[in-house]
Amino acid sequence: AQKVTQAQTEISVVEKEDVTLDCVYETRDTTYYLFWYKQPPSGELVFLIRRNSFDEQNEISGRYSWNFQKSTSSFNFTITASQVVDSAVYFCALPGRRALTFGSGTRLQVQP
Amino acid sequence: GAVVSQHPSRVICKSGTSVKIECRSLDFQATTMFWYRQFPKQSLMLMATSNEGSKATYEQGVEKDKFLINHASLTLSTLTVTSAHPEDSSFYICSASVGLAQETQYFGPGTRLLVL
Repeated sequence: AQKVTQAQTEISVVEKEDVTLDCVYETRDTTYYLFWYKQPPSGELVFLIRRNSFDEQNEISGRYSWNFQKSTSSFNFTITASQVVDSAVYFCALPGRRALTFGSGTRLQVQP
Repeated sequence: GAVVSQHPSRVICKSGTSVKIECRSLDFQATTMFWYRQFPKQSLMLMATSNEGSKATYEQGVEKDKFLINHASLTLSTLTVTSAHPEDSSFYICSASVGLAQETQYFGPGTRLLVL
């Protein structure tokens, strides 16, 4: 069965600090996608990235970057120079048998 | 593109009443729609998967007679919480996809249900 583990329940940083959110997954599939979503206090899920397991290159999008390590089944997410607006719950997800399997989420608090 | 709407965004009801939540894909036809539930400070848990014109597939532990799902068209799925109780208070989120769940799912903004 698919499983996603986000060991960090809550992280608090001061603005401008870099922060890395960890995601470890388990799957028996040989090819798969991995996702990151942001959930601000409003509740709406914001899609951040979809990564195919074939592509192990790190990806950067502005202040966001992702490190995919297939050998360790990890897909970590780094925010550089964090801002207060980054405060949210971040979910890592993996397609399951029918729908997405979400990790338990990491709550990020960025203090001014 | 790929917008999914939910209505209502927030609902408060009395215990014992039924509440209907609509999920619409506004600019695409969804092969499959999913219903998730999220309790405070918890993750999203899949409740059921619905395909247009067929019965929904419920996850283990989700009462199909309590959470009625109707997927009448390729752009509309409804979730009815029947005889709601305070423990049903939660954040309900739908998503829609074209093809397999491997593809990106498009999430609705969610519906906050409070049962008094």
